[in-house]
Amino acid sequence: QVQLVQSGAEVKKPGSSVKVSCKASGGTFSSYAISWVRQAPGQGLEWMGGIIPIFGTANYAQKFQGRVTITADESTSTAYMELSSLRSEDTAVYYCARDQEGAVATNWFDPWGQGTLVTVSS
Amino acid sequence: DIQMTQSPSSLSASVGDRVTITCRASQGISNSLAWYQQKPGKAPKLLLYAASRLESGVPSRFSGSGSGTDYTLTISSLQPEDFATYYCQQYKTFGQGTKLEIK
Repeated sequence: QVQLVQSGAEVKKPGSSVKVSCKASGGTFSSYAISWVRQAPGQGLEWMGGIIPIFGTANYAQKFQGRVTITADESTSTAYMELSSLRSEDTAVYYCARDQEGAVATNWFDPWGQGTLVTVSS
Repeated sequence: DIQMTQSPSSLSASVGDRVTITCRASQGISNSLAWYQQKPGKAPKLLLYAASRLESGVPSRFSGSGSGTDYTLTISSLQPEDFATYYCQQYKTFGQGTKLEIK
């Protein structure tokens, strides 16, 4: 049974960057996409992008193009999401989730990481 | 991109009630729809995928149906643990969510 464990909460200044990690255990990592989804306080779910570790190339939502970088390290079964030029509106819980084998965001997400709260405040 | 419109945005119901949540796509999605349950402070949990397939371990009171652009999630008899927020998802797009509250 795959489990995803994310890094801890972060507090960042506006204009800085944050990098959140997502470590997989208990199953196949490299051939399954990992997607990142965020949820602002009291709001819904928003897909940011995803990566298939074995291929190494990421797909991003247009809204985040140029500000988000998603990478993966097959040797440690860990995916990363880095968001730059942070602003207060980026305050949210960021989730990683296992996606489909061989494709990004083409079906359902399961399981999900526990979430990482990123707070952007001066 | 396909837009997903979920309704209602909130719903009050009692234990034992039957409830239905609807998700409408801006174009046909060929049953490529998942439903999630999210409780406060927790990650979403997959309930159903491919519109009507129940995820392992999910109680059978949850069911999904639909075709083309219109899909529904039904809870046949609400239990106390079912009060949560529900989301539909088609690929990269989520519905706005339905908050199910106790009446």
